Amino acid sequence: RKEVEQDPGPFNVPEGATVAFNCTYSNSASQSFFWYRQDCRKEPKLLMSVYSSGNEDGRFTAQLNRASQYISLLIRDSKLSDSATYLCRASGGSYIPTFGRGTSLIVHP
Amino acid sequence: GAGVSQSPSNKVTEKGKDVELRCDPISGHTALYWYRQSLGQGLEFLIYFQGNSAPDKSGLPSDRFSAERTGGSVSTLTIQRTQQEDSAVYLCASSSGNSEAFFGQGTRLTVV
Repeated sequence: RKEVEQDPGPFNVPEGATVAFNCTYSNSASQSFFWYRQDCRKEPKLLMSVYSSGNEDGRFTAQLNRASQYISLLIRDSKLSDSATYLCRASGGSYIPTFGRGTSLIVHP
Repeated sequence: GAGVSQSPSNKVTEKGKDVELRCDPISGHTALYWYRQSLGQGLEFLIYFQGNSAPDKSGLPSDRFSAERTGGSVSTLTIQRTQQEDSAVYLCASSSGNSEAFFGQGTRLTVV
C-alpha cells in the first residue's frame, strides 16, 4: 500500500461548482501536511499547508482528520483557472516525506 | 538565489551517454529531494538528502543512477549510459526539516 493515496480523477466540474478531494496517508507518525498545485508541464507549487484545526484561504479550505488519517481540500466557486493537478504531501517522524500521485481537476465553462 | 535552481532546463542526449543534472537548493535548507516525472504521471521519488545523514537512495531505479550533495548544498544527479526510458522531467526540491518543500523548474531530459 502506498504511503499517500489520492483518487487520480479527473474531476470534471462546471464553473462555480464546489469540489472536494481527499488524500489518505498510512503513516500515523505524519505530522505535517500540505496541498500542492501542479499546472501542465510546470513544477508543483505549494497551495496551502494543512493545520490540525483546519484552515481556509479564500475559496480553498483544507482539513485534517487524524482519526481516519486523511486530509481534504475543498474548492468553492470553481474557476477555469483552478484546472490543474492537486497533490497532497505528508511528512514527519523519520520517514521520507511523501507525495500522492495527484488528482486532476478540469473546470469547464 | 531566492528559489531552487536547476540546470540545464532541457537536455537532449544520445542513448548510451552519461548526463549530469544540477540542483542548487534554497540556502539553509537541510533536506533535498530528487524526483522524476514522466508525462501524465505522478512524482516518482528517487533520492533524499537530509543534513549530514547518509542519503536515502531507495528510489533510484537502477545502478546507472547516482547522486551526491557536496557541502550540504548543491546536488548533482548522474545518469550513466542513458536509455530511452530515462526520458522524463527530473525535479529537485528542498525544504527545512518537515516544512513545505519548494521545487525547481526541473530538467527535461530527452534520450534519443
